[in-house]
Amino acid sequence: DAGVIQSPRHEVTEMGQEVTLRCKPISGHNSLFWYRQTMMRGLELLIYFNNNVPIDDSGMPEDRFSAKMPNASFSTLKIQPSEPRDSAVYFCASSLDSLYFGEGSWLTVV
Amino acid sequence: QKEVEQDPGPLSVPEGAIVSLNCTYSNSAFQYFMWYRQYSRKGPELLMYTYSSGNKEDGRFTAQVDKSSKYISLFIRDSQPSDSATYLCAMSFSSGSARQLTFGSGTQLTVLP
Repeated sequence: DAGVIQSPRHEVTEMGQEVTLRCKPISGHNSLFWYRQTMMRGLELLIYFNNNVPIDDSGMPEDRFSAKMPNASFSTLKIQPSEPRDSAVYFCASSLDSLYFGEGSWLTVV
Repeated sequence: QKEVEQDPGPLSVPEGAIVSLNCTYSNSAFQYFMWYRQYSRKGPELLMYTYSSGNKEDGRFTAQVDKSSKYISLFIRDSQPSDSATYLCAMSFSSGSARQLTFGSGTQLTVLP
């Protein structure tokens, strides 16, 4: 299996622009998680889905953030409008029992 | 106070040293304990997984859980430069795919050749 696949790997965007991060989970995994990692705050859970249904989005920082999982093989995390403080690494992870992470999307908002 | 506390380091040791990495936690309901290794510019990968108290060994790695003290450790024997990474502890209340993990902030380890 190819593992969790995230795109883009790197994104530099201007403040105010919309950012869409994409994730393909491991086939057969029924839970998907979006995390954000910064030096200051470490690894933070933003939202997770179970069987494509959002279960807990209490970690989403504000209404500028939204996530969708239209089917079992695809999820998006959208930030609109983006701000410099959103600069971070965003990880997608999927799970059947143990949690497997993608390689992350490195976002810089200038 | 954070639910999971981990010394961020950095920790630098010579090759061949025994490394001890530790986390403390405040919620006694945590039952499942994990260690993740994260290489630079990569995602975390699961290294060790233990349930409740006790020890678990896997090659050069030993995970130890002391629930009475709310303290978990990861020991690395005969450390190698390839062990240089950030190590994150994680824990959860339950097992299964939908469980949420609470992560420590990570300890950055460098093993010098």
